[in-house]
Amino acid sequence: DAGITQSPRYKITETGRQVTLMCHQTWSHSYMFWYRQDLGHGLRLIYYSAAADITDKGEVPDGYVVSRSKTENFPLTLESATRSQTSVYFCASGQRGAEQFFGPGTRLTVL
Amino acid sequence: GQQLNQSPQSMFIQEGEDVSMNCTSSSIFNTWLWYKQDPGEGPVLLIALYKAGELTSNGRLTAQFGITRKDSFLNISASIPSDVGIYFCAGPNTGNQFYFGTGTSLTVIP
Repeated sequence: DAGITQSPRYKITETGRQVTLMCHQTWSHSYMFWYRQDLGHGLRLIYYSAAADITDKGEVPDGYVVSRSKTENFPLTLESATRSQTSVYFCASGQRGAEQFFGPGTRLTVL
Repeated sequence: GQQLNQSPQSMFIQEGEDVSMNCTSSSIFNTWLWYKQDPGEGPVLLIALYKAGELTSNGRLTAQFGITRKDSFLNISASIPSDVGIYFCAGPNTGNQFYFGTGTSLTVIP
């Protein structure tokens, strides 16, 4: 199906483990984004990418790593998960940097 | 860091009433976007604004890009129960960093 998908939808992990959240879009959009959503903070940008092999930091990049070897995929890795990274993570894509279309989210719990 | 302040934080209205909410920033924005988020889902784009002073409608929704480029407004006319959700303003500032507002939670009472 066309659109933007995220996997897994739910993930429970332990402190210190590496976790990778996947994002895939079928629109061939140039831009892709990762956000986290927490109560009291709204949506905050973690990283974004303007094209394959180009990534930039957002507002809250510490503790996260991204890569974009293919236009359609934009995985987000937590190299050593911490409890403060418990959140709902949203991936988005857009042809330009402004209008963005969001995936369904991944709910991550770090114990 | 940058913050987009939305007001009101929450609204409880009767079905059929009109709704107004706004979003303000301490810095200039190039584009203003309005999103709606239903529980357990990702935000959905409602309206995009690209020029200061621009007024754009999408069905019962109307949004305006403020003249100062530091604010935007969203109006919903004749609210219905499915309008319930959280409304976010968002946009890139002149430094191309993208921010979301704090959100306005809307409850429509049938």
